[in-house]
Amino acid sequence: DIVMTQSPDSLAVSLGERATINCKSSQSVLYRSNNQNYLAWYQQKLGQPPKLLIYWASTRESGVPDRFSGSGSGTDFTLTISSLQAEDVAVYYCMQFYTTPVFGQGTKLELK
Amino acid sequence: QVQLVQSGTEVKKPGASVKLSCKASGYTFRSYAVHWVRQAPGQRLEWMGWISAGNGDTKYSQKFQDRVTMTRDTSASTVYMDLSSLRSDDTALYYCARSSSALLLDYWGQGTLVTVSS
Repeated sequence: DIVMTQSPDSLAVSLGERATINCKSSQSVLYRSNNQNYLAWYQQKLGQPPKLLIYWASTRESGVPDRFSGSGSGTDFTLTISSLQAEDVAVYYCMQFYTTPVFGQGTKLELK
Repeated sequence: QVQLVQSGTEVKKPGASVKLSCKASGYTFRSYAVHWVRQAPGQRLEWMGWISAGNGDTKYSQKFQDRVTMTRDTSASTVYMDLSSLRSDDTALYYCARSSSALLLDYWGQGTLVTVSS
């Protein structure tokens, strides 16, 4: 099974500053035939289900603010929030869907 | 708009079974699969399996293969997940989520809390 590992486990960032979360998969999630990385990012606020932010590693879901961006390929991926807003406080998960879904352990993002 | 509405909180004793439901609306039910994902306290999200709403095909995680059954009622646009032989470590929030042909989970239900306790 593919193992997803996020870093850091928690992160405190000031309002307006950049937040960066990393995700590493134990094997490549790049599907050569369509050159797509089967990697998604989710945001989960307290008491709510996960919300899809990014898929194909870098495609923003409709309605997601453009301060959220995803990058990376193969086994190493990054979620960046360019200018942290108070409403971005949440736990963030990466998920590979190259095979049956596997999630990272989550990164808790807090305000400094 | 796409909605997945799940059934309410369950409290079960060890060894019992639980059957959860997930009612879909706002899209063509048979064109998508529905997955079940659980989140135990302090644990990461864990995928349990999926069912094709179109033809009823299922695929389960090996971890739950012997204890889980997913079914669907197309007339009611509802998917069900039956988990048997419950243990205390099955205490978790259980989510249903939709996917298209790729296994990308795009819309999620609100979650159902299952507590297993003697």
